[in-house]
Amino acid sequence: AQSVTQPDIHITVSEGASLELRCNYSYGATPYLFWYVQSPGQGLQLLLKYFSGDTLVQGIKGFEAEFKRSQSSFNLRKPSVHWSDAAEYFCAVGPAGNDMRFGAGTRLTVKP
Amino acid sequence: GAGVSQTPSNKVTEKGKYVELRCDPISGHTALYWYRQSLGQGPEFLIYFQGTGAADDSGLPNDRFFAVRPEGSVSTLKIQRTERGDSAVYLCASSLRTSANNEQFFGPGTRLTVL
Repeated sequence: AQSVTQPDIHITVSEGASLELRCNYSYGATPYLFWYVQSPGQGLQLLLKYFSGDTLVQGIKGFEAEFKRSQSSFNLRKPSVHWSDAAEYFCAVGPAGNDMRFGAGTRLTVKP
Repeated sequence: GAGVSQTPSNKVTEKGKYVELRCDPISGHTALYWYRQSLGQGPEFLIYFQGTGAADDSGLPNDRFFAVRPEGSVSTLKIQRTERGDSAVYLCASSLRTSANNEQFFGPGTRLTVL
């Protein structure tokens, strides 16, 4: 069965510092992987997705993620965090058509 | 055009009551999805529609939950005999079609509180 683990419930970084949010997945076939961001009162917004090809994926808002099959990971990174990046981040796995499985989320706090 | 909209944004009800939650997808999107997000958790898949038909309802927790999409656009999630454990944010999403590379666009959710 497919599943997603986000080991960090809450992360705090200083504005301008680099960021890495961890995501580990379990999936029987080649996974489709996603990162979403959710701000208070807002819907989930897709940051980036991986289906195949280049394992380093670029997304919106300066985010990138790297698919590592050997580690079953799809970690999200950003070189310099902005205060507006404070939000909840969700990793998801599976077919985009249905039954997409989400992790429990990582809440990001940005210190001034 | 407008994004996915959901009404109401908040719903408070008493245990045992019936509730309906509405989702207006993006115009032209044939696929529509319902998820439930409990506090401190990620969204959990409930059901998805391709057009008017429920293509996969395997995520519905029990027969108190039902969803319809009679004209292939607006969808209503119906919960009978609500229980306190049904309290959550109910998210709706839509996409152009249910293939692997079609992004799901999410609405802001309906926060349901069952007292």
